[in-house]
This record gives sequence, C-alpha cells and structure tokens, in this order.
Amino acid sequence: GQQVMQIPQYQHVQEGEDFTTYCNSSTTLSNIQWYKQRPGGHPVFLIQLVKSGEVKKQKRLTFQFGEAKKNSSLHITATQTTDVGTYFCAGLSGYNYGQNFVFGPGTRLSVLP
Amino acid sequence: DAGVIQSPRHEVTEMGQEVTLRCKPISGHDYLFWYRQTMMRGLELLIYFNNNVPIDDSGMPEDRFSAKMPNASFSTLKIQPSEPRDSAVYFCASSLGLAGLYNEQFFGPGTRLTVL
Repeated sequence: GQQVMQIPQYQHVQEGEDFTTYCNSSTTLSNIQWYKQRPGGHPVFLIQLVKSGEVKKQKRLTFQFGEAKKNSSLHITATQTTDVGTYFCAGLSGYNYGQNFVFGPGTRLSVLP
Repeated sequence: DAGVIQSPRHEVTEMGQEVTLRCKPISGHDYLFWYRQTMMRGLELLIYFNNNVPIDDSGMPEDRFSAKMPNASFSTLKIQPSEPRDSAVYFCASSLGLAGLYNEQFFGPGTRLTVL
C-alpha cells in the first residue's frame, strides 16, 4: 500500500533559525496537504498542493511539490516560538480517500527562545 | 460556525465496555472522516462518509469498531467490546467536496480514550 515518510522525525532549532521538513511518497500523488498540530491540539490545515513543481508561500512558510509529484517540502524562515508543533503531510494517491489518503508520521518542531 | 464538535473530550473505561464517540460536522460539509492517532501508528483514517453514506471503511481495525451517520449533522464511532490497545485520540473531521476537488479537512478537538 501507499506509504508516506517524513524526515526528520524531530527538529530542535533556535528561534530565528530556518526549518525544513521533507515528505516522500512511495507512489505518485494527486495532491498533497500539509497540517500543523500544536501540542495537545488537533491538526489544522495549512495548504494543499496539486500541480507538479508547485510552490506556495504563506508569510514565512514555503511549500513545494516535487516535479514527479512524489515528494514535498515545507520550509519555515526565521522560526518563532509560535511555530512549535508537529507538521504532517497527507497525500492522496488516487481520486478517492480511504487507503489512498495517508498521513505521514509528522515532524515535531521545537523552537528554543 | 462552532467548527467540528466531538464528545466526550475524554473517556476512561474498562476493558470489555462499550464506548461511543460522537461527532457533529460543520454544517454543509458533505464529507466526514474518523481518524485514530497514537504514538506508534500516527494518524490513521478509519472510515469516511460522503453524504451520510460510508464510502470506505477499510481502515477500521476490526469488527469491534463500527461507525454510523444517521443524518448530515451527526456521526458515531462505537467500539464494542473495548480493549486497552484501543486507547488513543480519536478525531472526527469534515470537509466540503467540490466536484473532484479535495478540500481542507476541519478537525474536531478529539476524544482521548483510555481503556483500562
């Protein structure tokens, strides 16, 4: 079945440093979504990427979808303590949910002030 | 809108007991998802509904788990009998599907289930 991996599993940064998490799928994706989950909270949608090579920005966050639509990345510039949480990618490999929609294991980010 | 509502927020029960988790999706959303989150397995999609109809329940771990959606504003996830390995946070999420587009999912606050 489809597998989605993320690296790194954990990342500790000093406030102001940059952060990047990578998402890799075993299969070609129709789209990919990114979510953030604060400690003790629930996943909150950040963005969706659909097109090959697509790049989207949200303030200090930059999201990229690979040309082959099998990988994606999230880059945060100049991290802040409010960026703390776990970042998940979720990929849809077909055109239906169910077994085609898989969350990665997440990257847990901690930001030291 | 109040967002996705789940109840209870916390549930502690003993092995063998029946557990019912409840979810009210965002009004107007036609997709509803049930997820389970554990440290070991991460976020797993258990089942999803479209217009109150279960579409794919292949993620439901075993026959002890069942889910229903009797109307557009209510869904339940039932575990009977519960086992300690069912301890997890269960999330409900809803989304608005638009003719082939897959939109953001809005998650509820979750139900933290502990089975002793």
